Amino acid sequence: ETGVTQTPRHLVMGMTNKKSLKCEQHLGHNAMYWYKQSAKKPLELMFVYNFKEQTENNSVPSRFSPECPNSSHLFLHLHTLQPEDSALYLCASSQDSNLGYGYTFGSGTRLTVV
Amino acid sequence: GENVEQHPSTLSVQEGDSAVIKCTYSDSASNYFPWYKQELGKGPQLIIDIRSNVGEKKDQRIAVTLNKTAKHFSLHITETQPEDSAVYFCAAHDYKLSFGAGTTVTVRA
Repeated sequence: ETGVTQTPRHLVMGMTNKKSLKCEQHLGHNAMYWYKQSAKKPLELMFVYNFKEQTENNSVPSRFSPECPNSSHLFLHLHTLQPEDSALYLCASSQDSNLGYGYTFGSGTRLTVV
Repeated sequence: GENVEQHPSTLSVQEGDSAVIKCTYSDSASNYFPWYKQELGKGPQLIIDIRSNVGEKKDQRIAVTLNKTAKHFSLHITETQPEDSAVYFCAAHDYKLSFGAGTTVTVRA
């Protein structure tokens, strides 16, 4: 384990379902991130939270809704997803989002939308 | 925003040979360039990084070079071993971290 824990590891959901992804870190970091990883594409930044405040929403559709109740926990709430949303969703944390270094990634949640 | 291009997308090398992965970036304000290794079923892990005030950095069998004028940087792995097989990502940081598309490296025994 890297210090960033993501659950569940795998998730299959229908297009009408509502589900949530969870990320937890106990590294003392203040920034947390959601990335989408699709095959043969660069990691796609979705959301950034720095000191519990959302600082970046990278034009993500509203069917993805992040929540950061404290610096250690990050959620991604999913509803009415499309098949093209199937991907590996990675959570990361770092000391401060204004710094580029010190990112620690979780192992990801493999999401399949059917 | 920053645009990072990475080549090649796949690389197959014989065990013991060297592997080189190249990246270019577009934003001259980028000042930090990490490399990540992602093994199957795991998230990316930092393996080496370089800052804009340094031209080269080495850590055992891994080295990174940076040419700020040309806006490109490279990862060099020497004496490759089967455990080096993975997907490697370069990244560049201006105000956020932007990633390349990844290189799948296969080391043949």
